[in-house]
Amino acid sequence: GAGVSQSPSNKVTEKGKDVELRCDPISGHTALYWYRQSLGQGLEFLIYFQGNSAPDKSGLPSDRFSAERTGGSVSTLTIQRTQQEDSAVYLCASNPGTDTQYFGPGTRLTVL
Amino acid sequence: GQSLEQPSEVTAVEGAIVQINCTYQTSGFYGLSWYQQHDGGAPTFLSYNALDGLEETGRFSSFLSRSDSYGYLLLQELQMKDSASYFCAVRDEGGRRALTFGSGTRLQVQP
Repeated sequence: GAGVSQSPSNKVTEKGKDVELRCDPISGHTALYWYRQSLGQGLEFLIYFQGNSAPDKSGLPSDRFSAERTGGSVSTLTIQRTQQEDSAVYLCASNPGTDTQYFGPGTRLTVL
Repeated sequence: GQSLEQPSEVTAVEGAIVQINCTYQTSGFYGLSWYQQHDGGAPTFLSYNALDGLEETGRFSSFLSRSDSYGYLLLQELQMKDSASYFCAVRDEGGRRALTFGSGTRLQVQP
């Protein structure tokens, strides 16, 4: 079946611009996560959605970062006034309530 | 806070066995996972240990000792395609299931 999809696969933007990253989780997966991975590093948790509950935003690095999940499915991560340190691969994952996370291919964000 | 320690790089030859260790310090603990990530690819799930002991899945095995806050991933009969980064990750909260990841171990398999 279809896996987690993310778009765009690559995004190059200028410092100060806003960007939106999209994630389509696996159908039926109630939990959705956003992580960030800098070059050669592990994954850093950003935000977690579970069903209709309020999201866990404890990993967001600043108030320039926000995310929404509409209809319990698609999620959008928005970064306002991008900075060069925001350059990273942004990964989305979903899970159906087990301990396995299914990751999308990621969006590589480059802020010039 | 949470922290996980794993070696940054390991090199081995085809057909050999390699062990990647992971030690962790977390405020809570519900299980230790391992993920594989090829260059430019997404992390893919390999194994999960919630209880002490060894879990075997084909050529890969994973071990956990909760009393020692330690686990390892064992890869047998190494193949060139096993060259990748391997991350240990801890689930540290009961409800959230978000993971705290180590920095990864880059495995290079040589002919």
